[in-house]
Amino acid sequence: GDSVTQMEGPVTLSEEACLTINCTYTATGYPSLFWYVQYPGEGLQLLLKATKADDKGSNKGFEATYRKETTSFHLEKGSVQVSDSAVYFCALGTNAGKSTFGDGTTLTVKP
Amino acid sequence: ETGVTQTPRHLVMGMTNKKSLKCEQHLGHNAMYWYKQSAKKPLELMFVYNFKEQTENNSVPSRFSPECPNSSHLFLHLHTLQPEDSALYLCASSQDGTRRADEQFFGPGTRLTVL
Repeated sequence: GDSVTQMEGPVTLSEEACLTINCTYTATGYPSLFWYVQYPGEGLQLLLKATKADDKGSNKGFEATYRKETTSFHLEKGSVQVSDSAVYFCALGTNAGKSTFGDGTTLTVKP
Repeated sequence: ETGVTQTPRHLVMGMTNKKSLKCEQHLGHNAMYWYKQSAKKPLELMFVYNFKEQTENNSVPSRFSPECPNSSHLFLHLHTLQPEDSALYLCASSQDGTRRADEQFFGPGTRLTVL
């Protein structure tokens, strides 16, 4: 079945450090890939997405590239801020209407 | 109201109580979802409705009973719950539950505590 494996947390960084959260997937067919973010006390919200191989999703300084050859969709940001502290979820969506989420990675950014 | 709303935001109930969670989406979407989010566990998909028809029941115990009267509203009826059912229950919606590119829009969740 479909699955998403993402980097275990928690991740703690200093402000302005570089961030990478690894995500790899297993799926039949050609899934769409997503990164969602969950701030404390809130539901998940879409951060970025990519729908086909080599697409790059970007938003709020975050980027991720759909790599079919390595079945990966790693999340990156060049300079994190305290306000980026949250839980990040990698997910895939298929034509069967199912979304599969990773376990989530907790990021804490210290001033 | 905009987006996806959920009521109540917090609920405490005994094991013999019956309660309902409500979700409403104001986005004109056709698919709605219930998820369970427990501490230190992955997000668990419970139910999916697409155009008011249930298309997914992820082996959820019968003490959880969903209801989708129309594309904008989704309920989760609770009865005879166990303490391990305490969790954050998230509702989400998407334009069409069969399209892989559609992102899901989540509500803020209902924090449920079962005593």
